[in-house]
Amino acid sequence: GDSVTQMEGPVTLSEEACLTINCTYTATGYPSLFWYVQYPGEGLQLLLKATKADDKGSNKGFEATYRKETTSFHLEKGSVQVSDSAVYFCALIGTNAGKSTFGDGTTLTVKP
Amino acid sequence: DGGITQSPKYLFRKEGQNVTLSCEQNLNHDAMYWYRQDPGQGLRLIYYSQIVNDFQKGDIAEGYSVSREKKESFPLTVTSAQKNPTAFYLCASSRPGVSGNTIYFGEGSWLTVV
Repeated sequence: GDSVTQMEGPVTLSEEACLTINCTYTATGYPSLFWYVQYPGEGLQLLLKATKADDKGSNKGFEATYRKETTSFHLEKGSVQVSDSAVYFCALIGTNAGKSTFGDGTTLTVKP
Repeated sequence: DGGITQSPKYLFRKEGQNVTLSCEQNLNHDAMYWYRQDPGQGLRLIYYSQIVNDFQKGDIAEGYSVSREKKESFPLTVTSAQKNPTAFYLCASSRPGVSGNTIYFGEGSWLTVV
């Protein structure tokens, strides 16, 4: 079946440092790939998405590129802020409503 | 504003009781979902529904039940058969075939067994 593997956390960075959170996947068919962010005690918010190979999703300075050849969707940001501290989830969503697979989440803490 | 509303935010249950978590959406989405999240872990799918009056089991449906009588509503009942129900429950919805099947989430409900 489909699976998503995320870089294990927690990740601690200083403000303005570069961020990369790795995400690799296995899937049948042609799923869409997503990054969600979760703040303490809240639901998941969509951060960015890519619906086909070579697409780049971007939002709020975060980027990720759907790479079929390496089955990856790594999340990157050039300069993190304290407000970026949260849990980040990589997800794979297929064409069927029930075909959603989430990674275990990576906790990011950014220190001033 | 359009969105997904879950209630209550916090719920306490005595062992042996059934409890129902409410989920309402005004996004006109056809598909709705319930996920369970345990501390420090990812999401696990409990049930999903693609259309009114129809729903399918997810990966961890045992001890849970749902109904889908209206497009906007997808309540989850945690029954006494669920042995370890303390968790964070997330309701979600999507419009399959649109925008890459993006799933949108509510704010979540905390259930604690006392």
